[in-house]
Amino acid sequence: KAGVTQTPRYLIKTRGQQVTLSCSPISGHRSVSWYQQTPGQGLQFLFEYFSETQRNKGNFPGRFSGRQFSNSRSEMNVSTLELGDSALYLCASSLGVGRETQYFGPGTRLLVL
Amino acid sequence: GENVEQHPSTLSVQEGDSAVIKCTYSDSASNYFPWYKQELGKRPQLIIDIRSNVGEKKDQRIAVTLNKTAKHFSLHITETQPEDSAVYFCAAWESNAGGTSYGKLTFGQGTILTVHP
Repeated sequence: KAGVTQTPRYLIKTRGQQVTLSCSPISGHRSVSWYQQTPGQGLQFLFEYFSETQRNKGNFPGRFSGRQFSNSRSEMNVSTLELGDSALYLCASSLGVGRETQYFGPGTRLLVL
Repeated sequence: GENVEQHPSTLSVQEGDSAVIKCTYSDSASNYFPWYKQELGKRPQLIIDIRSNVGEKKDQRIAVTLNKTAKHFSLHITETQPEDSAVYFCAAWESNAGGTSYGKLTFGQGTILTVHP
């Protein structure tokens, strides 16, 4: 099976702009979780989608949002970008039935100038 | 919510030595504990996991132990090799309230392991 893919892989934006990142899960996986990875904060959970519904949300401001489509592909959006949003954004897919392995994508590296 | 603390933040060993990374968690209801390895510029990859009904699990040179009473779990790597050099993350699965099967993973801060030839 093909692994989790993310696009784009690299992105440079300026403060105040908005950005949309995409994640395609492993075929058959219905859950997509998003994480922000920074050197200082590690891997922080943003939100999780299952069957087009947000099931879980981390402690991030409302500028961070997401959605999931009927084919399980997911997008996350960050509006009004701040310098501190510079990070590696990882998505992970799983079957979505409980305590199970999450498979990570390669990530999108976002740099906000 | 769940809080996971991981130690040490950096670990340097000689090839052939053993390496141990420890994590503690706060939520006694957490019941699934995976470990991920992230090489430089690569995605995190699962190397081993353990569920709360098991105290130890081993896979070749890698083992994980779980102490539910003390709420801590550890990763043990024996006979380390230079290719083991990477960042290792522990995580704890916290189920949502209400007895649901779904929840989320909370990660530790990571341990940078360097294995010197």
